[in-house]
Amino acid sequence: QSVLTQPPSVSAAPGQKVTMSCSGSSSNIGSNFVSWYQQFPRTAPKLLIYDADKRPSGIPDRFSGSKSGTSATLDITGLQSGDEAVYFCATWDSSLQVVLFGGGTKVTVL
Amino acid sequence: EVQLVESGGGLVKPGGSLRISCAASGFTFSAFSMNWFRQAPGKGLEWVAFISSTSSFIHYTDSVKGRFTISRDNAKNSLYLEMNSLRVEDTAVYYCAKDDPFSGPYPKWFDSWGQGTQVTVSS
Repeated sequence: QSVLTQPPSVSAAPGQKVTMSCSGSSSNIGSNFVSWYQQFPRTAPKLLIYDADKRPSGIPDRFSGSKSGTSATLDITGLQSGDEAVYFCATWDSSLQVVLFGGGTKVTVL
Repeated sequence: EVQLVESGGGLVKPGGSLRISCAASGFTFSAFSMNWFRQAPGKGLEWVAFISSTSSFIHYTDSVKGRFTISRDNAKNSLYLEMNSLRVEDTAVYYCAKDDPFSGPYPKWFDSWGQGTQVTVSS
């Protein structure tokens, strides 16, 4: 069981919006940088969002992140079939002195 | 273009040892902290270890402390993970990943990943 809690799955029709959450605590999300990763089967993860709400170059603005208190959120708007993947949140935990990942959220495009 | 290429994975018996490597190119390796991650079959991502650019700061996940050693050779643009006393539960694809340039004493985020190398621990 992950210390960062993500819903196992979310789904929506093409063109719609999905929102996924990542819930933690004051020692991790509440006081450290949050990042989000996209992973397709049998491939390496890809950085989507860093520092809670910033996008690396090349990441479409359909992907956006936010953070409030001890939770973070990833939104995907204008959903496309190519967005079907698993999305992981991650952050450092100052008390445990480890990087934590959420269990991952599988996005399904209906 | 940033490239990270892992190598050295394979099949090893429980209790055995293995050293995996990550060859870096396309960026100033010596300026960046680096990390190892792993992913067991059908499971999520797990961070394994972190090493700062000059090796001054090193962190491990609890399950590998005392068994795994992360190191780097900035002259060779290479990152290593020495794994001893391997257990069946260490079976996973191992990835190296580059950290943010200003990560300091602990990891921040991971903007480039290698393709992974399979480590299988089985009798």
